[in-house]
Amino acid sequence: KQEVTQIPAALSVPEGENLVLNCSFTDSAIYNLQWFRQDPGKGLTSLLLIQSSQREQTSGRLNASLDKSSGRSTLYIAASQPGDSATYLCAVRMDSNYQLIWGAGTKLIIKP
Amino acid sequence: KAGVTQTPRYLIKTRGQQVTLSCSPISGHRSVSWYQQTPGQGLQFLFEYFSETQRNKGNFPGRFSGRQFSNSRSEMNVSTLELGDSALYLCASMEQGATNEKLFFGSGTQLSVL
Repeated sequence: KQEVTQIPAALSVPEGENLVLNCSFTDSAIYNLQWFRQDPGKGLTSLLLIQSSQREQTSGRLNASLDKSSGRSTLYIAASQPGDSATYLCAVRMDSNYQLIWGAGTKLIIKP
Repeated sequence: KAGVTQTPRYLIKTRGQQVTLSCSPISGHRSVSWYQQTPGQGLQFLFEYFSETQRNKGNFPGRFSGRQFSNSRSEMNVSTLELGDSALYLCASMEQGATNEKLFFGSGTQLSVL
């Protein structure tokens, strides 16, 4: 059974710092991995999608990497801003049934 | 284009009642999927519909059901509500439902069961 873990559960850093969020998964038979952000009381916004054959994806100040063999993905946020404060979730899409399995999220607070 | 719209935004029900939630996808999107989010279990996949057919289903009891109409709008129904059904219910749409597509989420329906 696929398990997706995100560490740390919460993170607070000063504005301007570069930071890394981690996502690990136990079953490497994945189709792709996605990173989302969720703002309080709102739905999720897709940030980056990495196919299983890719190593990384970039969008603006965000860079996501994928190491399928070790079951790990990282989301790198450069020059953090208070507007980056949100909960960040990763989700893997399984090869077997195409379902999305979610991590519990990392709650990120960027202090001005 | 308008985003994914979910109604109602908040709902309060009592145990044993049933509830219907609605989701209107982005115009042109044919895939709609539903998720339950709770503090204890996190996000869990309920089911996915594509062109009015259920294409995938998560591990939820039969009390949870859904359907999709010809205009791609979807409804989710929960019968015989239990306290544990209290959650944020999210729906998401994709244009073709391909596995390499990004999901677009609505703001959710917050269901409280008393």
